[in-house]
Amino acid sequence: DGGITQSPKYLFRKEGQNVTLSCEQNLNHDAMYWYRQDPGQGLRLIYYSQIVNDFQKGDIAEGYSVSREKKESFPLTVTSAQKNPTAFYLCASSIVWGSPTTNYGYTFGSGTRLTVV
Amino acid sequence: SQQGEEDPQALSIQEGENATMNCSYKTSINNLQWYRQNSGRGLVHLILIRSNEREKHSGRLRVTLDTSKKSSSLLITASRAADTASYFCAPLGSGNTGKLIFGQGTTLQVKP
Repeated sequence: DGGITQSPKYLFRKEGQNVTLSCEQNLNHDAMYWYRQDPGQGLRLIYYSQIVNDFQKGDIAEGYSVSREKKESFPLTVTSAQKNPTAFYLCASSIVWGSPTTNYGYTFGSGTRLTVV
Repeated sequence: SQQGEEDPQALSIQEGENATMNCSYKTSINNLQWYRQNSGRGLVHLILIRSNEREKHSGRLRVTLDTSKKSSSLLITASRAADTASYFCAPLGSGNTGKLIFGQGTTLQVKP
C-alpha cells in the first residue's frame, strides 16, 4: 500500500545533540512538508519542498535543516540551535504543487514524538 | 499566510447527535480542505471543496462554503464515538503555491 512512513515513532534527544527524523513516501508525490505540533496546538510549517533538490523555509525554520536528494525522501534534522525541540513532528506530501484544480489533499505520516532529555 | 480559524475550539456531544464546526478565513481561496486528527496520530484528509462549489457531501460529512462571508462549515451527522478527534480546516489561497497553513482546530468529543 502507498503511504508515508515516518521513523522513529519516538525519539529522545540530549541537550546539544543533532537528531534526524526520517520521512519516506512511495506515492510519487512531488511536494513534501514538515510540520511541528505542540500539545493542544495547531500545526506550524517548518520546511517544504516542491521538487527534488529544492526546498523552502516555512514559518518556524530556525534550528532545523532539511534535504531533498530523492523524490521519495525528505529528512528533517533538528539541530542544537533549536532551543525547544520537544514536540510532535508530522511529515506530509501532496500530488501536485500549487494546482488549484487538484482534488487531492495532503497525505500525512503518523508522526515522530521528539523529547529532550 | 492564509490560515483558517476554527470555531468552537471544543465541542462535546452525545452519540447520535450532529456536530457542526465552523471555519473562517481572510483572503480569496482556490479551495478549502478539512482534516481529522485522532489523538497522537497524523492528519487524515476528509474532504476538499472548491471555491466555485457551495456544498459537498461525503458519507456522513457535509461541507458548505460561503465565499462572500469567507466561511465554511463541517457537519457530521449521526455522530459516533469514533468521530472523537480534532478537526482542522485549511484554506488554499488564490495564487498560493500549495502550502497549507493549519489553525488550532476544533476538538470534538462524542460521548457514548
